[in-house]
Order: sequence, then C-alpha cells, then structure tokens
Amino acid sequence: AQSVTQPDIHITVSEGASLELRCNYSYGATPYLFWYVQSPGQGLQLLLKYFSGDTLVQGIKGFEAEFKRSQSSFNLRKPSVHWSDAAEYFCAVGANDMRFGAGTRLTVKP
Amino acid sequence: EAGVVQSPRYKIIEKKQPVAFWCNPISGHNTLYWYRQNLGQGPELLIRYENEEAVDDSQLPKDRFSAERLKGVDSTLKIQPAELGDSAVYLCASSGGAVGAFFGQGTRLTVV
Repeated sequence: AQSVTQPDIHITVSEGASLELRCNYSYGATPYLFWYVQSPGQGLQLLLKYFSGDTLVQGIKGFEAEFKRSQSSFNLRKPSVHWSDAAEYFCAVGANDMRFGAGTRLTVKP
Repeated sequence: EAGVVQSPRYKIIEKKQPVAFWCNPISGHNTLYWYRQNLGQGPELLIRYENEEAVDDSQLPKDRFSAERLKGVDSTLKIQPAELGDSAVYLCASSGGAVGAFFGQGTRLTVV
C-alpha cells in the first residue's frame, strides 16, 4: 500500500535561510508525487508535482523538489525563506488515490 | 475560473444530529474527492468519485457517513448521527487528470 512519511513535525528557520522539508514514500510503481501548502484556515494549494522526466521539479513561490528513487524521497527545498512561507506543508503520493503525509509545520523567525 | 467551492465553511452541531456538506468541483473535473483532516494531521481520503461512480469508499465509515454525486458534478457528504469524534475539517477536492487535485477551503465541523 502506498504511504508517505514526513519525519519532521515542526521546523523553524530564520528568514532568508535555506529550507529543506523531507518526504519519504512507499509506492509499488513509479510514483506520482506532490507537495501542498496549507495556511491557517485555508485549503491546500499545490506547490509542485512529479510524474516522470527531470527529477528536479520547479514549483510556485520559488520552491523546488528533487525525486530520488534510490532513497524513496521527494524533498522540498527553497533557497531563501520568506516570512510568508510559514505554513503547514504536506507531501502526497498517488495518482487518482492521493495519500498524504502528516505534514510539517514551518515557523519562520524574523 | 472558479475553484472548488464548499459550503458551509463552519458548522457546529450537537452530537447525534445530522449534518451535510456540499461541494461544487472545478468545471470539467471528473474526479472528486472527500477528505477528512483532523487537527495536526494530514488529510485522509474518505471517498473518491469518477463522474457519478464511487470508485474508492473503503475509508468511509458507512454506518454513519454517506455521500452522493448525482449527475457527476456537485457532491454531498452526510453524517448521521454525528459523534464527538467527527469534529474535523472536511475537504473536497477535484481533479481533471493525473495533474494533482485542487482543494476547496473546507468545512470545519465541531460536534458538541
């Protein structure tokens, strides 16, 4: 069965610092992978997705993620974090049957 | 283009009462999902529709939850009777293919 693990429940970074959020997945075939962001009281917004091809994918708001099949990982990165990036981030796997991780809450220090 | 629309945004009910949530997906999206999100957790799939057919309802607690998607467009999720443990955010999402799902803002249900 497919599943997603986000090892970090909460991460705090300083504004302007780089960010990496970890995601590990379990999936029987070539995975469809997604990162979503959720601000308080809001629905989920799609940041980026990977289906095939180039393993480094670019998303909105300056985010990127790298698919590493050997490590079953799809980590999200951003070179310089802005205060407005503070939110909950969810990794998801699956095509029509998306399953989500438990999320990582990002706090940005001034 | 309008996104996924859900109503109501908030609902407070007493336990044992019925409640219903409504979702209108993005026009042309054949796939519709209902997810439940408990506080501090990721969304959990309740049911997935392809057009009007429920193709995955394995996680739907069928003793008290029901859903329908008549005519393959908008959908309703119902709980009857509600229990305290049903307090959560209920998210609707739609997809036009393997491009990821688009979510509504959710309905926050509080059962007291």
